[in-house]
Amino acid sequence: GQNIDQPTEMTATEGAIVQINCTYQTSGFNGLFWYQQHAGEAPTFLSYNVLDGLEEKGRFSSFLSRSKGYSYLLLKELQMKDSASYLCAVMDSNYQLIWGAGTKLIIKP
Amino acid sequence: GAVVSQHPSRVICKSGTSVKIECRSLDFQATTMFWYRQFPKKSLMLMATSNEGSKATYEQGVEKDKFLINHASLTLSTLTVTSAHPEDSSFYICSARRGEGQETQYFGPGTRLLVL
Repeated sequence: GQNIDQPTEMTATEGAIVQINCTYQTSGFNGLFWYQQHAGEAPTFLSYNVLDGLEEKGRFSSFLSRSKGYSYLLLKELQMKDSASYLCAVMDSNYQLIWGAGTKLIIKP
Repeated sequence: GAVVSQHPSRVICKSGTSVKIECRSLDFQATTMFWYRQFPKKSLMLMATSNEGSKATYEQGVEKDKFLINHASLTLSTLTVTSAHPEDSSFYICSARRGEGQETQYFGPGTRLLVL
């Protein structure tokens, strides 16, 4: 079967760095997405990786290793507003999205 | 786990026809379902929120007469694109939430619509 695994919850301190991991097993691969979702709001697109390597975008970076079926989202200089759920999703060979359950990130002062 | 399915996974239709997309929560009851549209730059746009047994709440700019949403049961919501136009070609994604106070949304695999 197809599945995406990511931690259910993580806690970090304001100003610190946190890495949210995502491992996947899918039938084919057409890219991996990271979304941020605040409670009661629609998900916001953060990144899309289709090639191996690190993509940096401001305080957020996303890494992909296709051979390992692994990605991570790195958040630097954490701010309180970064408290949210972070969703990992993979597009399979049929261009269907396989979603992780999301990682709830709690930022403490 | 909480599984959400969508049917069909992809559909091609002619301009002017109507297309119905189903969203089902397979192993839980979803009091609230959401319909999103994914744009080429990967962003998700919330189209509407539907609560079982009541009318859907549409986001600003979304035509409710064009995108008909029905949430007839706790496990099924449908989105009907009426008088489809090539501009409606997109990836439509639904999500479901168990109930009030439950923050987590479980997302479906999406339906790719191509209007010719």
